[in-house]
Amino acid sequence: AQSVAQPEDQVNVAEGNPLTVKCTYSVSGNPYLFWYVQYPNRGLQFLLKYITGDNLVKGSYGFEAEFNKSQTSFHLKKPSALVSDSALYFCAVRGSARQLTFGSGTQLTVLP
Amino acid sequence: DTGVSQNPRHKITKRGQNVTFRCDPISEHNRLYWYRQTLGQGPEFLTYFQNEAQLEKSRLLSDRFSAERPKGSFSTLEIQRTEQGDSAMYLCASSPLGHPDTDTQYFGPGTRLTVL
Repeated sequence: AQSVAQPEDQVNVAEGNPLTVKCTYSVSGNPYLFWYVQYPNRGLQFLLKYITGDNLVKGSYGFEAEFNKSQTSFHLKKPSALVSDSALYFCAVRGSARQLTFGSGTQLTVLP
Repeated sequence: DTGVSQNPRHKITKRGQNVTFRCDPISEHNRLYWYRQTLGQGPEFLTYFQNEAQLEKSRLLSDRFSAERPKGSFSTLEIQRTEQGDSAMYLCASSPLGHPDTDTQYFGPGTRLTVL
């Protein structure tokens, strides 16, 4: 069975400061890892993914994530946070099957 | 650029009634997925189609739930004899087949179901 843990329900950061949203995973075989963002009463918007290759992947809106196989982690990062980044962030994993397994989400609040 | 669309966006129904939701995937996306999201949780997988074939089903998809994709384009999700525990956001996603982006699922805005 595959699983995702997002250990922080809430992350607060000041505008202009770097942000990190943590994610660890468990899956059989090679992981396919994803980050999505959700705004209130909206669907999920794709940010970035890791399938293979370079451990540092870059995505939309200046976000990036680092795949760490030994620590089974895929933390989301951004060098300089914006107030408009405030939203609910989900990490997801899939193995050989097509279905995504999501974490419980992390609410990011960027304070002006 | 048309994304995944879902109708209706909101549905309020009484316990015991049947409801049906529709999902239109991104054009030429062969794969279509249904997920359910309850408040404070991440989405949970329900079922997956490749073209018209239903290839994966979750244990969450009880006998009261049925999904179809008859012509390999739009899909419907029906819930029979709704229960209050069915209240959730139902999300649809699609992805292309045989494309560099094949592993990325693109989500629609969801249908919020409230069962009274």
